[in-house]
Amino acid sequence: DARVTQTPRHKVTEMGQEVTMRCQPILGHNTVFWYRQTMMQGLELLAYFRNRAPLDDSGMPKDRFSAEMPDATLATLKIQPSEPRDSAVYFCASEPGGGTGELFFGEGSRLTVL
Amino acid sequence: GEDVEQSLFLSVREGDSSVINCTYTDSSSTYLYWYKQEPGAGLQLLTYIFSNMDMKQDQRLTVLLNKKDKHLSLRIADTQTGDSAIYFCAESNYQLIWGAGTKLIIKP
Repeated sequence: DARVTQTPRHKVTEMGQEVTMRCQPILGHNTVFWYRQTMMQGLELLAYFRNRAPLDDSGMPKDRFSAEMPDATLATLKIQPSEPRDSAVYFCASEPGGGTGELFFGEGSRLTVL
Repeated sequence: GEDVEQSLFLSVREGDSSVINCTYTDSSSTYLYWYKQEPGAGLQLLTYIFSNMDMKQDQRLTVLLNKKDKHLSLRIADTQTGDSAIYFCAESNYQLIWGAGTKLIIKP
């Protein structure tokens, strides 16, 4: 059945390294979100796209994070350089459209920065 | 600004009813949602209620909405071990505002 696919599921890296997380949204969904989840901050919206256009990335540290959607089947979140405080689970979610709030989440990418 | 608040933990005995509560601040929210997150997984939509409704029932789940008090609750009847998860409340106007999540712990 249709699902949001995220890679990698787990990533351990050293401080200063570049990290790229990828997401394949559900076919036909026109809105894609990137969230970060930590114990301390809970669920934080980093960025989202509608019809591949970035609509809001105000939750993202601009100096090191970037989010793109090169085509309708791929969204990427890049951190360069990574820092230990970026350790978290990063979720991608897609929505069918119309701002219904019915989000379909991927299983997440667990990032550990040493 | 907009805010959604939930208790962090709820512990219930297997077979009892669980009631998870949530308060929100944006009275113009169109929809209110309950999402469930099982360990190691992403969130999944459990149910939602339109703001002009008071109650919605779906099998073991009952959602109650008190618009006057801006209070939303999720009742799970006959709680089972498989209901162990974190439950997130969210409100939506043009964007989702999430609560911190309530971890439901089931005692045998």
